[in-house]
Parts: sequence; C-alpha cells; structure tokens
Amino acid sequence: SFELTQPPSVSVSPGQTATITCSGDKLANTYVSWYQQRSGQSPVLVIYQNANRPSGIPGRFSGFNSGYTATLTISGAQAVDEADYYCQAWDSTTAVFGGGTKLTVL
Amino acid sequence: EVQLVESGGGLVQPGRSLRLSCAASGFTFDDYAMHWVRQRPGKGLEWVSGINWNSGGVGYADSVKDRFTISRDNAKNSLFLEMNRLTTEDTAFYYCVKDAGNNWYNEDFDSWGQGTLVTVSS
Repeated sequence: SFELTQPPSVSVSPGQTATITCSGDKLANTYVSWYQQRSGQSPVLVIYQNANRPSGIPGRFSGFNSGYTATLTISGAQAVDEADYYCQAWDSTTAVFGGGTKLTVL
Repeated sequence: EVQLVESGGGLVQPGRSLRLSCAASGFTFDDYAMHWVRQRPGKGLEWVSGINWNSGGVGYADSVKDRFTISRDNAKNSLFLEMNRLTTEDTAFYYCVKDAGNNWYNEDFDSWGQGTLVTVSS
C-alpha cells in the first residue's frame, strides 16, 4: 500500500530555515498537500498541489515535489510555526497522510 | 467564513453504534465534497471517508469499510457519519473537513472543524 514517510521531528532556530521531507514511491504521479496542526488545534492547509499557498498563509511557507520526495520549507521560522506538520497525497481513491513531523523552534 | 461544527461524539461500548453530524455554514455547501478525518489521541491523521457534492460518489478507508456510512443533506447543510460495530480502535477525534472541489478524491482538505471525540470503551 502507498505510504508517506516523514521524520518524526525537526528542530530549527528562530529565523533559520526549516525543511520537512515526505517520501513515497508514487509521488511522481500525484500532488502533495501539507497541513499544520498547532497544539490543541485543528489542522490547517498550508500548501496544496505541491507548491501553492492558500490565501492567508505567510510567504515563508513553500513546497516542492521532486517526484521522489516532497519538501515543505519554512524560511525564517518563527515561534508561531512550532507545530506538527503532515503531508498528504491521494493513492487513487484513498487519501494518505504521512506520520507527521513535530517542528520545534528554539 | 467557513464554519464546520461537529456533534454526536461521546462514550460508547464496543460493538455499538454512533452517528456523527456536522453543521456547515459560510460557503455554498452543495458545491463541495466533504470528508471525515480522524485522529487517535496523540497520533497522526487518518482519512476515514469522503462524499461527492451530490452524494453521487463515496469512498472509505479500508479500516472502516462496511462499518461506517457517510451521507449528507444539502438542504440542511449537514454531513453525517453513521458508525456501526465500533471497536476500541475507533477511539479518536473525528474532524468534519471541507474539500477544495466537488469530487471526493484528488483534491485538498481546505477547512476543518474543531472535531468531536468518540471514545469506545466498556
């Protein structure tokens, strides 16, 4: 079955660039979305169709899909960006989420 | 502003049934597909089910297929999830989620409710 693999945790210093990866063997044939979930809150869509930002999402968030690995980049990370991040893609008619990455900004 | 308000969660015994509801507002409900996504406490996200804008197509995760039924009432801007033969593995927060398009697969989850907790325990 289709699986998306993320690192469990990533740490970054404030103002530095955070990179979160998502790997899967079918990424060449599908779009990847990214969701941010702050502690105690519901998920929020931050990147859709590999690299697009919904309105209201800061420009420091960007995404890329190489076909083998999808990447979420947060340029100039802020304390408010500390959260769990999930990648997601469709395997035919099943939505698949990665296991999530806890981003710590310290 | 999109608002999705879930209800119907609670404590239920294994093997019993529960029905979740989601009241939607702030957008044209019958233009969009809708989903249920769950999250076991302290764990990751798991897609449960999706339904087309006109109920013409539905999909389920293997883990709930043949036990859960998704439905919607466009006249009442409401989404439902009927859950049968519940097990302890179904204990989770259940989120009502709006799709970015009108087909239930291959799009994004662009708005999420606050979730309702379902606890399956004897």
